[in-house]
Amino acid sequence: ILNVEQSPQSLHVQEGDSTNFTCSFPSSNFYALHWYRWETAKSPEALFVMTLNGDEKKKGRISATLNTKEGYSYLYIKGSQPEDSATYLCALPPNQAGTALIFGKGTTLSVSS
Amino acid sequence: KAGVTQTPRYLIKTRGQQVTLSCSPISGHRSVSWYQQTPGQGLQFLFEYFSETQRNKGNFPGRFSGRQFSNSRSEMNVSTLELGDSALYLCASSLDGTREDEQYFGPGTRLTVT
Repeated sequence: ILNVEQSPQSLHVQEGDSTNFTCSFPSSNFYALHWYRWETAKSPEALFVMTLNGDEKKKGRISATLNTKEGYSYLYIKGSQPEDSATYLCALPPNQAGTALIFGKGTTLSVSS
Repeated sequence: KAGVTQTPRYLIKTRGQQVTLSCSPISGHRSVSWYQQTPGQGLQFLFEYFSETQRNKGNFPGRFSGRQFSNSRSEMNVSTLELGDSALYLCASSLDGTREDEQYFGPGTRLTVT
């Protein structure tokens, strides 16, 4: 069974701080890695889909890197804002075709103004 | 373009009853996946439907079932409800149903079993 680990479990930062969190996964049989942001009372929102070793993706102040050989991905948020407060989830497909995703437990970010 | 919709949004059922939840994907999307969210277990994959066929199934008992219609709308059914089935049920749709495909989630159905 694919095991997806995220750390830290929660994080509290001040507005303007930059922060990062980690998603760890088995390096064998890698197909893709998905990052989602889930704000309270909303639906999970796709941030990035990463497929290649060394991939770097960026959307505004949020960026992500991928290392498939060592089995980790980092999500970075530059200059955190209160609206960045959410749970950030990473997910990977198991070893089968289709859209099934195995999710980590997430990192909950709280940004104070 | 309208997003993924789920009905009903909230539901209260009694242990032993059955329930049917509905998911309408984004127009043109062919794949629908279902997930269960509980505080202890996080988001867990239930099953995926693609072109009216169940393609994958998660590690849930047979009381959980689903189907997909020709217009890609999907329903999931839970029979003989147990207290532990209380959860947020999310569906997600994707265009091509591949592992790299971005998935779009609905708002969820909050099921409470008493």
